Amino acid sequence: DVKVTQSSRYLVKRTGEKVFLECVQDMDHENMFWYRQDPGLGLRLIYFSYDVKMKEKGDIPEGYSVSREKKERFSLILESASTNQTSMYLCASSPTTGTENEKLFFGSGTQLSVL
Amino acid sequence: SQKIEQNSEALNIQEGKTATLTCNYTNYSPAYLQWYRQDPGRGPVFLLLIRENEKEKRKERLKVTFDTTLKQSLFHITASQPADSATYLCALDSSGGYNKLIFGAGTRLAVHP
Repeated sequence: DVKVTQSSRYLVKRTGEKVFLECVQDMDHENMFWYRQDPGLGLRLIYFSYDVKMKEKGDIPEGYSVSREKKERFSLILESASTNQTSMYLCASSPTTGTENEKLFFGSGTQLSVL
Repeated sequence: SQKIEQNSEALNIQEGKTATLTCNYTNYSPAYLQWYRQDPGRGPVFLLLIRENEKEKRKERLKVTFDTTLKQSLFHITASQPADSATYLCALDSSGGYNKLIFGAGTRLAVHP
């Protein structure tokens, strides 16, 4: 089974802190994604990456950056956390080819609270 | 702008009945549509994919329809069970490549014994 692991289930940070959310997948997938999920708004794409060191902005990239130094790891960085970044953050991966290349495999999520 | 709508209110049904969830979209011409299940505190899990040239798809007790004229997908769970209680998300291919999906807000289903 594909496994997407997010480093923390719950995280509490203070306004202005730099926050790192880590995601690791074990199936050699090319594509990796960061979404945030808020009640009533669904999942919104922050950034995605289709290869090592490659990144593309999603729909709501402001206030975030990402890093993909290795194929299996995709990090989301909040440069200066703000209260409106309190949310559930979901990492996902998918292959570029093969029978499963159109579905996303998600991690369990990180619930981030910024105080 | 692109928009996906799912019933925001929870759907409550009795065990054994068929649950029907709706997904409507505007300003899209997606190549395919997907349904995911999400349990509280967990990430979404893929259930089914239906392509634009397919009218209906089945998997065990699940059935999905896709009407590109109405811009609507229906998701059915037959013989529902309390274990089917979860939030169900509809997702569309954004046509931006790289399997970028756009998600609806989801519909919470509660199946009562």
